[in-house]
Amino acid sequence: NAGVTQTPKFRVLKTGQSMTLLCAQDMNHEYMYWYRQDPGMGLRLIHYSVGEGTTAKGEVPDGYNVSRLKKQNFLLGLESAAPSQTSVYFCASSYSIRDGYTFGSGTRLTVV
Amino acid sequence: GENVEQHPSTLSVQEGDSAVIKCTYSDSASNYFPWYKQELGKRPQLIIDIRSNVGEKKDQRIAVTLNKTAKHFSLHITETQPEDSAVYFCAASRPNSGYSTLTFGKGTMLLVSP
Repeated sequence: NAGVTQTPKFRVLKTGQSMTLLCAQDMNHEYMYWYRQDPGMGLRLIHYSVGEGTTAKGEVPDGYNVSRLKKQNFLLGLESAAPSQTSVYFCASSYSIRDGYTFGSGTRLTVV
Repeated sequence: GENVEQHPSTLSVQEGDSAVIKCTYSDSASNYFPWYKQELGKRPQLIIDIRSNVGEKKDQRIAVTLNKTAKHFSLHITETQPEDSAVYFCAASRPNSGYSTLTFGKGTMLLVSP
């Protein structure tokens, strides 16, 4: 039981490049989330999904897209990376909206 | 939407002392309040949570109290140890209102000195 797995763990992008962050969970959780963590800003919600095939915007969705084609996977895409997207990205999942989250180990992204 | 304020932003204590971190929330309909601990370079991990039908919950050296009237909740750590050093995040959500997500405070860095 791996829990929530994120890939890659580290990445450096040039401005304008694109990439996809993958989140996979093996706990049969319905809900999945993408957060970004910046110094002094806490965890801010980018997008989330309440089930396979669904996605919704969070607090800071601009510049990101997501897809949930399979229940166990939640992908976060950056179409044209900007330096402001330099951050640590955490994926999380929960069984229901009444439960706490299980977080992945994070992806440290630097955009130069 | 929900807004969660967390204080203090940093807290330094001596080993064996108690530590208290406080959070306030804005949405009176919120009814689920978890606390997460994040060690340096690691993922946030749930350490304790409380729901609005109780006022206090304890788990060994940690406890959380909730005052719904005042819309604030607190984390209490007793007999602190160096391994308690981490960033602690509070959060709030209202799971009974359809789709819901956690809104986090900005975090408190706790440093426990030997």
